[in-house]
Amino acid sequence: TQLLEQSPQFLSIQEGENLTVYCNSSSVFSSLQWYRQEPGEGPVLLVTVVTGGEVKKLKRLTFQFGDARKDSSLHITAAQPGDTGLYLCGGNNRKLIWGLGTSLAVNP
Amino acid sequence: ETGVTQTPRHLVMGMTNKKSLKCEQHLGHNAMYWYKQSAKKPLELMFVYNFKEQTENNSVPSRFSPECPNSSHLFLHLHTLQPEDSALYLCASSQEGAGNTIYFGEGSWLTVV
Repeated sequence: TQLLEQSPQFLSIQEGENLTVYCNSSSVFSSLQWYRQEPGEGPVLLVTVVTGGEVKKLKRLTFQFGDARKDSSLHITAAQPGDTGLYLCGGNNRKLIWGLGTSLAVNP
Repeated sequence: ETGVTQTPRHLVMGMTNKKSLKCEQHLGHNAMYWYKQSAKKPLELMFVYNFKEQTENNSVPSRFSPECPNSSHLFLHLHTLQPEDSALYLCASSQEGAGNTIYFGEGSWLTVV
């Protein structure tokens, strides 16, 4: 069974802090996607990374794909309450494999 | 704004009821999916359709019956469900060959009583 581990599972921080969440696997992925999901809603695509070592920025969010394409990180600078949600990563290896997500709470 | 719309957003049904979930994608994609999302579990892929043909059925119980009349519409027919089937059901679509990036709908929150 292929696994995709996300860490931490839960994170509660104050507004303005920085944070990094991780997505790790022993499998090599052709691409990896990050989503943010709010309670009772569907996941919303944030970014797709394809190339090993690739870095993509989306405003205060920085995504990095590992050189070996087995892992990825998401760094948020100066977190805001609107960043609160479940961050999911999905790795594409012929099939999409999903992690359990990181539940982030940003407190005002 | 999502290009994948799901109805209803919330559904409460008894174990003897028959109901259907509907999904429509406006992205011109050729693949559509049903996922089940439960607490403390990764997303579970249920069914995949490519060009209206079912290409994957991940050992889903027969009380869930998918239907894909065309590339833009996908249904999930529900019959004699169990309380443990209560979950968020997510429809998604993608364009085969485009990095397999999938786009989700808002989800249908199902409660079986």
